[in-house]
Amino acid sequence: AQTVTQSQPEMSVQEAETVTLSCTYDTSESDYYLFWYKQPPSRQMILVIRQEAYKQQNATENRFSVNFQKAAKSFSLKISDSQLGDAAMYFCAYRSAGKSSGDKLTFGTGTRLAVRP
Amino acid sequence: KAGVTQTPRYLIKTRGQQVTLSCSPISGHRSVSWYQQTPGQGLQFLFEYFSETQRNKGNFPGRFSGRQFSNSRSEMNVSTLELGDSALYLCASSLNGQAYEQYFGPGTRLTVT
Repeated sequence: AQTVTQSQPEMSVQEAETVTLSCTYDTSESDYYLFWYKQPPSRQMILVIRQEAYKQQNATENRFSVNFQKAAKSFSLKISDSQLGDAAMYFCAYRSAGKSSGDKLTFGTGTRLAVRP
Repeated sequence: KAGVTQTPRYLIKTRGQQVTLSCSPISGHRSVSWYQQTPGQGLQFLFEYFSETQRNKGNFPGRFSGRQFSNSRSEMNVSTLELGDSALYLCASSLNGQAYEQYFGPGTRLTVT
């Protein structure tokens, strides 16, 4: 079974600064997808960024980028120019690429990010 | 396009009762997944339905069940409620169950007293 570990329960960043959230995972599969989801106080889960394991290039979405290290099974999220609206719970998630796995996501325990004005 | 909707948004039930939660996916989406979120256990996968068939099931007791209708709307049912079933229940939909992206609904907050 796959597991996802987020070792930072809480993080804090100054507005306009950069912060990195850590995520490690364990799997015996070679093909899979990794995601970062954001859950603000409204509780609506929002996809921030995704990474296909077969792609060596790190994904980037505006101020959000990842550092994907497949051999180390590490998938960190970097938020640049942090904004007050980035304050939320961030979840790292894994999804197998196997057809039988469908849409099943395995989530980490989350990192609560606070943004200081 | 309307997003994923879940009803009701809040629910209070008594131990021993049963409850049914509903999820309407984004129009055209055929896959619906359910997750339970609690402070202690985090986010846990319950089950996934695709074209009215359960494709995957998480490690939950048989009191938790679900179904999907021909219009892709899904319901989940919890029978003989326990205090530990208090949670936020999230539903997510995707186009075909192999999509890159799942879209989540706002959740149903269930409180069992």
